[in-house]
Amino acid sequence: DTEVTQTPKHLVMGMTNKKSLKCEQHMGHRAMYWYKQKAKKPPELMFVYSYEKLSINESVPSRFSPECPNSSLLNLHLHALQPEDSALYLCASSQDTGPAGEQYFGPGTRLTVT
Amino acid sequence: RKEVEQDPGPFNVPEGATVAFNCTYSNSASQSFFWYRQDCRKEPKLLMSVYSSGNEDGRFTAQLNRASQYISLLIRDSKLSDSATYLCVVKGGSGGYQKVTFGTGTKLQVIP
Repeated sequence: DTEVTQTPKHLVMGMTNKKSLKCEQHMGHRAMYWYKQKAKKPPELMFVYSYEKLSINESVPSRFSPECPNSSLLNLHLHALQPEDSALYLCASSQDTGPAGEQYFGPGTRLTVT
Repeated sequence: RKEVEQDPGPFNVPEGATVAFNCTYSNSASQSFFWYRQDCRKEPKLLMSVYSSGNEDGRFTAQLNRASQYISLLIRDSKLSDSATYLCVVKGGSGGYQKVTFGTGTKLQVIP
């Protein structure tokens, strides 16, 4: 089962709201990722968790706050976002962060900031 | 020079045609290579990993040329359902973390 699930599918939020995106995988993968994708662009890496520890933060603004409660779950907490943060947010997982592991993506959360 | 480069297309091909995409990468230390397909407003889906010896999966063949630092994807007997954006992904780096770099994608449109 190569499934990564994400909720919600769509989210509309105002610039003063606080919301969270959720991601779950049950493949026993130890690496999980958050990506942001704008239209007609490739996914852009935001964060990498390896064995439940944050290992990479690609200089993401602090209004995005990741959290990994356990090896199966990954959250992205959103606060005081800007309209330019509107995008598709993709979660992915892989066996680990080594060379061999393919990444499997969830269906994404389409975020609109008004 | 971009780390991973692809021709953005679009490639417009008739059903049944053979089409090939190339992807070049700049980091000679890159270790793993993948092709993903992404349909409009959907997530990227793994199409195939690319091995040094080349690999085939049905109508799809992937090749790696380390000397020239490119990978290729060949699609034979194109179907309408092959219409999508094809993303090249390269992994490489030192230490435990292998940086993942996406190409900008090549758009394929298969025409009836």
